[in-house]
Amino acid sequence: NAGVMQNPRHLVRRRGQEARLRCSPMKGHSHVYWYRQLPEEGLKFMVYLQKENIIDESGMPKERFSAEFPKEGPSILRIQQVVRGDSAAYFCASSPLPGLNTEAFFGQGTRLTVV
Amino acid sequence: KQEVTQIPAALSVPEGENLVLNCSFTDSAIYNLQWFRQDPGKGLTSLLLIQSSQREQTSGRLNASLDKSSGRSTLYIAASQPGDSATYLCASEETSGSRLTFGEGTQLTVNP
Repeated sequence: NAGVMQNPRHLVRRRGQEARLRCSPMKGHSHVYWYRQLPEEGLKFMVYLQKENIIDESGMPKERFSAEFPKEGPSILRIQQVVRGDSAAYFCASSPLPGLNTEAFFGQGTRLTVV
Repeated sequence: KQEVTQIPAALSVPEGENLVLNCSFTDSAIYNLQWFRQDPGKGLTSLLLIQSSQREQTSGRLNASLDKSSGRSTLYIAASQPGDSATYLCASEETSGSRLTFGEGTQLTVNP
């Protein structure tokens, strides 16, 4: 089991470009969570997805940010027209079905730098 | 809205010392509480998960306790080693499958 895989590990974008961050959950996990860690701050929840379904997006900024978890392929966090304030580490976590009371498994993160 | 606080923000100890990291949460109606370790520039590694019905969990030199009524959890590290140097995060899960709410972390340095 390869664990939660995120790519790229590091991403540099110029202001105004688009950033696409990918997350492949652990095998057998159908739930994906995205978190953002701004410099010198804690992790903040962004969005919770199941396959083809957004369950909770209450932590997502209202503009420029979107997320999807298609039937096939990884979950994608998309940031349009990036600004310097988007520079952060973005972490993905996955878990199996709710109710199993198991730990969340995190990927290594994607470190986005906007120049 | 759940708020999680960790004290102290940073801690420096000599090797071999036993230490306690503190975590408090404002809403005691949690589903579970999880402790993580984060190394610089790396992801999160799960250390211990305590279900709401449990009082403590142990793994090697680590012991985590949970007191829901007082909104507190502690992570006890015995016989600390330089390799324990990292940031330790606690996170609460309010309902099954819901988001995790993280504290700001305690940055631990164990000096040889």
